[in-house]
Order: sequence, then structure tokens, then C-alpha cells
Amino acid sequence: DQQVKQNSPSLSVQEGRISILNCDYTNSMFDYFLWYKKYPAEGPTFLISISSIKDKNEDGRFTVFLNKSAKHLSLHIVPSQPGDSAVYFCAARTSYDKVIFGPGTSLSVIP
Amino acid sequence: GAGVSQSPSNKVTEKGKDVELRCDPISGHTALYWYRQSLGQGLEFLIYFQGNSAPDKSGLPSDRFSAERTGGSVSTLTIQRTQQEDSAVYLCASSLQTGTGEAFFGQGTRLTVV
Repeated sequence: DQQVKQNSPSLSVQEGRISILNCDYTNSMFDYFLWYKKYPAEGPTFLISISSIKDKNEDGRFTVFLNKSAKHLSLHIVPSQPGDSAVYFCAARTSYDKVIFGPGTSLSVIP
Repeated sequence: GAGVSQSPSNKVTEKGKDVELRCDPISGHTALYWYRQSLGQGLEFLIYFQGNSAPDKSGLPSDRFSAERTGGSVSTLTIQRTQQEDSAVYLCASSLQTGTGEAFFGQGTRLTVV
């Protein structure tokens, strides 16, 4: 029973364009959502998060949007850069419980 | 150090042998996680420790896998009678349980069972 889903295993985007990574969840009790980025041979690193009481959080080129009614969130990267090529994991948690990760989306930004 | 430290970084073992993987979390982090990532796969949850509570072992794939966390700090993941399908990168993470609960990951241990 996958509580956090990322239905696109891979995505290719031209440099300078927008990358949109999507994530769906099933547990309405989640109160924080997080995005992680992972390069090969490295551990995942935290990118950006959003509280369930908000619908948008922005940090530089990265913006996360949350649609609670649809149980959907998305990560927008604009403009995309070749260095953004990595696997992106969506994650979610309830207070004082473990973080649950999605299966990841591999982003390739083409120069 | 300031980050999560895992050792060894690489481990090659023969099928049937036992292995121990170590994780030193960030000081003061009450939550500790073990995940593994097999080739081409996502992050598979294994076990979660939170403070003095009983660990959540729901992700351990078989009884050959066990983990402990001593003194609320260092954790050891033990795999007994290793099999080839155990080959993966084993990742440890730690976090505070307040706020976003952002988890900080170590570099991982690449386990190869031959």
C-alpha cells in the first residue's frame, strides 16, 4: 500500500525550461511534505518542504505547490539547469511519525 | 562531525556471511531511519527508531534483518546469512521530530553479496 506515489519514473526537460515533478498521496493525516534530491553515489539531500496548512512554498528556483483536496503536490524548477539532473523523491509525514518516501522521479535536464 | 556518518562505505561479502552496518546520527536527533536502495529502485523503508519508543520494524524484509540503537545514538543494522538479493545501498538518516522532521541522510553503505 503505497501512501506516497510518483507516477512518472523519469522526465526530460530542456535547459532553461520549467521542470514539473508530481506527487500524489493517500493519507489525509500527513502534515508535512518534503522533496529530496539524490545524485548517484550520494545520500538524498533535503530540497524544500511545505506544511499542510499552506498551498505554496518558494525557495529560489524551486517552488512546491500543495493541493490538499486533490491530495497532490508538485515541485516546479524554473529555469531548469543541467546540474538539476538527479532523482527527486517526494516524502510525507505525520507529526511524530516516520517520513514516507515515494519511489522517485529521475529528472534529466538537457543542455 | 556535523552530518550522519555511515561505515563502512563499501562492503563485499560472501553469500551466507553476516554483516553489520553502522550509523552515527547527528547529535541530538531523536529519530533514526534505515532505508535501502536496490539498483534502479526507490527508497525502501526498513526500520525507524524514535526516542525510547519501540522501533517500527514494519519494513524489514525478513527475520535475517535486525537493527538496534544503543543509548539513543549509534545504530547497527545486522544482516544474517546474506543473500545476493540483499545487495543494495543501505542508507541511514536522522531527524528531529519537531517542525518538518527533515531527515538528514548519510552517504550510505554499498553492500555487495557475491
